[in-house]
Amino acid sequence: KAGVTQTPRYLIKTRGQQVTLSCSPISGHRSVSWYQQTPGQGLQFLFEYFSETQRNKGNFPGRFSGRQFSNSRSEMNVSTLELGDSALYLCASSWADSNTEAFFGQGTRLTVV
Amino acid sequence: QKEVEQDPGPLSVPEGAIVSLNCTYSNSAFQYFMWYRQYSRKGPELLMYTYSSGNKEDGRFTAQVDKSSKYISLFIRDSQPSDSATYLCAMIDGQAGTALIFGKGTTLSVSS
Repeated sequence: KAGVTQTPRYLIKTRGQQVTLSCSPISGHRSVSWYQQTPGQGLQFLFEYFSETQRNKGNFPGRFSGRQFSNSRSEMNVSTLELGDSALYLCASSWADSNTEAFFGQGTRLTVV
Repeated sequence: QKEVEQDPGPLSVPEGAIVSLNCTYSNSAFQYFMWYRQYSRKGPELLMYTYSSGNKEDGRFTAQVDKSSKYISLFIRDSQPSDSATYLCAMIDGQAGTALIFGKGTTLSVSS
C-alpha cells in the first residue's frame, strides 16, 4: 500500500514568488492535513481538509491556502513568499474523523532566497 | 508558554538502556496523545496513540498518560542504535478540532 506522497521534495523560490505543493494521501484516506516544520517553532498546524472542505485552520496568514480535490489529493499554496516561509512542509492523511492515526509524507523542503 | 512542552535533549544512551521521553501540557481538554518518531530528512512516523489516561504497550514501546498531572511518557526498552531519531509527542483536543499539537521533539542517540 503506497504511503503519503508529496511533490516536489525540494524547492527553491525567490522572495515574492508563489509556490504550490502537492500531496497524494493514502488510498481511502479522506482527511489531509498540512504542517510547517521549522527548527525554531517545530511542527505547526496549517489546515485540514476532509471530503474537499476545509475542516480546521491554524494561525497562519492568508498567504497560506489549500484545497482538496474529489480524489482526496490536496494542494497547498503560499503566495508572496517571505524568507521566513523556508521550512519543511509536511502533509498527513487519515481515514478517521479524528486524526489519531495520521500518516505523514516525507515533506517538501522549501527554501526562499 | 507553549501548549506542549518537550525537553529537546539531546539524550544519549548506550545500547540496551531503557529510555524515558516525556511531555507536559497545559490544555486540560487534550484527549488523544500520540508519539511520533522522525528520522533525519524523513516525515514523522506514528509509533502509538492513547486515549485519555492509562498505559499502552507495543513491543519495546510503552506509552503512559497521566491527565491529572498533564504529563505523558514514552518508554523504550532494550534501546537499539536504530532507535536514534527525534521523538515527537502530539495531542488532540477532540472538542476544539482535529489538529495535532506537537511538542518540539527530543533527539535521542543510542550508541552501540
